[in-house]
Amino acid sequence: EIVLTQSPDFQSVTPKEKVTITCRASQSIGSSLHWYQQKPDQSPKLLIKYASQSISGVPSRFSGSGSGTDFTLTINSLEAEDAATYYCHQSSSLPLTFGGGTKVEIK
Amino acid sequence: EVQLVESGGGLVQPGGSLRLSCAASGFTFSSYEMNWVRQAPGKGLEWVSYISSSGSTIYYADSVKGRFTISRDNAKNSLYLQMNSLRAEDTAVYYCARWLAALDYWGQGTLVTVSS
Repeated sequence: EIVLTQSPDFQSVTPKEKVTITCRASQSIGSSLHWYQQKPDQSPKLLIKYASQSISGVPSRFSGSGSGTDFTLTINSLEAEDAATYYCHQSSSLPLTFGGGTKVEIK
Repeated sequence: EVQLVESGGGLVQPGGSLRLSCAASGFTFSSYEMNWVRQAPGKGLEWVSYISSSGSTIYYADSVKGRFTISRDNAKNSLYLQMNSLRAEDTAVYYCARWLAALDYWGQGTLVTVSS
């Protein structure tokens, strides 16, 4: 099973600040890494697919990068509505797995 | 508009059974692979099961293999999860999610609580 380790677990950020969340895979997964946003009491929402591919309707301040074992989700100029937990997810091999999540709080 | 609506959750005793349903609309259901993903209270996401568009290919997480059965009825635009021999650790919100390169649409989830 591929283990995804996210860091940090929690981040308290001021609006307009830049946020960087990392996801490390226990083995190489190419670009089969996706990012989701989950707001309180809501279901997850796809933000980025295949490491860096943007999703229609997702604000351009969200971007992804990386390949192999190391990946990054960047939120440029954080807005209050971005308060949420962010998860990475790999589809390189079964079982599909998720990172433990990064909770982003707005100061 | 893509919609996925889960139902069938509730309170069940350990060892009991439940059948979850997911009603799909707004897209050609028979063309898409589908998954069930769960989230225990206050915890992260855990993949449960996958089914191909035709239903011919199915996979399960080890934690549910032999106890859960995924199925679909393309004529009814519906996805199912039959859950038997339920345990306390199966307590979670269960989401159905469409697969298109990633889990691109999720339902609102249905809560399953396993407790005596």
